Amino acid sequence: DQQVKQNSPSLSVQEGRISILNCDYTNSMFDYFLWYKKYPAEGPTFLISISSIKDKNEDGRFTVFLNKSAKHLSLHIVPSQPGDSAVYFCAAPGTGNQFYFGTGTSLTVIP
Amino acid sequence: GAVVSQHPSRVICKSGTSVKIECRSLDFQATTMFWYRQFPKQSLMLMATSNEGSKATYEQGVEKDKFLINHASLTLSTLTVTSAHPEDSSFYICSAITGVNTEAFFGQGTRLTVV
Repeated sequence: DQQVKQNSPSLSVQEGRISILNCDYTNSMFDYFLWYKKYPAEGPTFLISISSIKDKNEDGRFTVFLNKSAKHLSLHIVPSQPGDSAVYFCAAPGTGNQFYFGTGTSLTVIP
Repeated sequence: GAVVSQHPSRVICKSGTSVKIECRSLDFQATTMFWYRQFPKQSLMLMATSNEGSKATYEQGVEKDKFLINHASLTLSTLTVTSAHPEDSSFYICSAITGVNTEAFFGQGTRLTVV
């Protein structure tokens, strides 16, 4: 059962424009969400997180929005840069010691 | 941030041999470590979850006798691919968490090629 879903496997955006990566979840008990960025042949690195008590968290060019009623979160990157080209995973810690990842969205920023 | 070191980063082995991959949390105690596998252009696939001092919990479809996981201490987990075959060639990544509802820290990954 995929509790965290990323329905867009890929996304292409022009440099300077906004990239919006989406993530949906099914478990209403999730109260903390994270986004990871992954380059080929490297482990994922933490990008930004949001607690369920907030609906927005901003860090430089990266902003994560959380819509609890829709069980949806999104990562906005603006302005997008070629170096942002990577696979982005959203994730949520579950109860106990489980950790759920989405299937990832491959972002390509076109110069 | 916390550091997870994974070793080796690349390994090539012959079919039928075994390969051990180490995952160490360098500056924190990892209550739980995860092992993932990633095929080219695909998502991270969780293979197993291991808690220090107890047996690993394997995901459905993952052969526990083939992928041996040992979590002997709070800072070290190992994945041993036994009797490796070419189809085991993949990118293996470990991650570690310090407790419930915390960020997961990832190792650099290991590229395994079985020839």
